[in-house]
Parts: sequence; structure tokens; C-alpha cells
Amino acid sequence: AAGVIQSPRHLIKEKRETATLKCYPIPRHDTVYWYQQGPGQDPQFLISFYEKMQSDKGSIPDRFSAQQFSDYHSELNMSSLELGDSALYFCASRTTGQSYEQYFGPGTRLTVT
Amino acid sequence: AQKITQTQPGMFVQEKEAVTLDCTYDTSDQSYGLFWYKQPSSGEMIFLIYQGSYDEQNATEGRYSLNFQKARKSANLVISASQLGDSAMYFCAMRGYTGTASKLTFGTGTRLQVTL
Repeated sequence: AAGVIQSPRHLIKEKRETATLKCYPIPRHDTVYWYQQGPGQDPQFLISFYEKMQSDKGSIPDRFSAQQFSDYHSELNMSSLELGDSALYFCASRTTGQSYEQYFGPGTRLTVT
Repeated sequence: AQKITQTQPGMFVQEKEAVTLDCTYDTSDQSYGLFWYKQPSSGEMIFLIYQGSYDEQNATEGRYSLNFQKARKSANLVISASQLGDSAMYFCAMRGYTGTASKLTFGTGTRLQVTL
């Protein structure tokens, strides 16, 4: 069965650079979520999209922006990177037709040096 | 607001023994879902089990069962017959059912170590 795809899997950037993380949800899933997991932390919700519209916003810095495209893939854009942005970034998808489960991608590990 | 509390930062269990990982929650939602995820050292988040707030029976999935006590607001994960491959971080999470895209709120996790 198809899973959530995230690219790249690993990314190394320097401070003040920009980064773009991509997420390809499971086909026919209409909702995408982004989570950030810092070292030794639990995942924190950043932002979500339903049918290409932003549906909920969590603790996402103003330096970050995200969107969902017509093919339902989503991109998280991160500018003016800081050392504290080093984390594992998860994308998850689900379809509102399902009762509960969010399917997580493998994550993108971002390291800011 | 939703809150998940996992009070056990780390747990040890011997292979083939059962172990209970604690989770308590707080929410004002009438309808909600409770999840357990496993995160091995490789980093991926693996869904284990789900319990809906209106489910009368405790959820079970193979060696995993969820001990749901709604009045006490607890949703403990029981792993039977532990295996070495069960060594991982375990997160309890909650999802409300308001809005079109309800996010997950996670606890701080419990690191389980299975020993010989």
C-alpha cells in the first residue's frame, strides 16, 4: 500500500538559509498535517490543510509558511533558519472519510549548523 | 485545550513479560480519540492502536491492548509478551473531533527498554 512520502529525508542547512520540505500524501487523502519534533521532544503540531485550504495552525513560526497544491502535495517553507529549527519534521495525511487514523511519513531530519 | 500526560520517562521490562505504559488525558471535548504510536530509534512514527471515546470495549491489536478508563481519563497501553524489537519510545496522543482537520496532541513519551 502507498504511504506518505517526504523529501528530502535528510537536510543540512546553515543559519539564515532557507529550506523547503515536501510531502506527498497517500492518494485520495484530503488532509495534510505538519509536525515538528525537536531532539528528545514530543511532536508539536505546526499546520494543517484540508482540501488545499489551511484548516488549523499551531506553533508555527512566522518564518515558516506552508501550502497544499492542486495535486494535494504540500510544502513547508522555512526561511532565516535558526539552530533551534533543527528537528525531525513529520507530514501526516488522512481522509475525512476514515474514522481516525493519521498516517505519518518517515520524516525529514533537518540539521541547521 | 487538550493535554496528554505520560508520567513514566523510562521503563524496563524483561523479554516475554507484559508491560503497562501509563497515559492520562484532559479535554473538554465530548468526542475524542486516543492513540498510541511507537517511535524506534530510526525515527518513524508507527501507529499501534486507537480508542474512540464512545467505544465501549477496550481496543486490541495483536499484542497491544488499550486499557481505557473514561471516568479516570486514562488510556494505558498494555504490551503482552514483550519482544526485544519493542524497545522504542512510545507516545500517547489525543485527537478531538471539532473542525475539519483535528490535530494530534502528544504526550512527552515513555522510553521502553526490553531486556533479556
